[in-house]
Amino acid sequence: GGIITQTPKFLIGQEGQKLTLKCQQNFNHDTMYWYRQDSGKGLRLIYYSITENDLQKGDLSEGYDASREKKSSFSLTVTSAQKNEMAVFLCASRSVGGLDAEQFFGPGTRLTVL
Amino acid sequence: GDQVEQSPSALSLHEGTGSALRCNFTTTMRAVQWFRKNSRGSLINLFYLASGTKENGRLKSAFDSKERYSTLHIRDAQLEDSGTYFCAGRTGGYKVVFGSGTRLLVSP
Repeated sequence: GGIITQTPKFLIGQEGQKLTLKCQQNFNHDTMYWYRQDSGKGLRLIYYSITENDLQKGDLSEGYDASREKKSSFSLTVTSAQKNEMAVFLCASRSVGGLDAEQFFGPGTRLTVL
Repeated sequence: GDQVEQSPSALSLHEGTGSALRCNFTTTMRAVQWFRKNSRGSLINLFYLASGTKENGRLKSAFDSKERYSTLHIRDAQLEDSGTYFCAGRTGGYKVVFGSGTRLLVSP
């Protein structure tokens, strides 16, 4: 088995601040994802990465940067936090190859912008 | 773009009863995954299906790629089943598209 850890668990920021969220996985999975979840909505894809140093934009990439420094880690940066923003950011990973490749999720980082 | 329509958006069940959640896909999906969000906000994997059906305890899921839908059946609902359930469809590439969730409340 493996685990996905996200840090921090809670993040409080100020309007305009640059904020970085980190994700680590020890599944040795190739593909990693960052999703945003707003209250009452499904998850929306921000960025994903197929392998180390690869970055692919999702549907919600504007306002974010990402970095896949190594296979096990994937960082997400909120380039300028929006006032009163509240959301949960979820990191996920998935092995590549074959049809049978489910996603596994981290516990999430809850962002509040004051 | 790819879309997933999940229904119902909210569901109330009495203990011991059952119901079904459904996701309709606007495009052909390679696989579907069902999750439950627990009280801490983490997503728990329930099922991953590329086709057919899978069963685990009181939960059963089916996926028909050709007809573009998936279902999650809950039987003999218990209080601890309350939570938000999500389906997610995997497209031919690396992307996964999520439904908007079903908030399930099981009451005594």
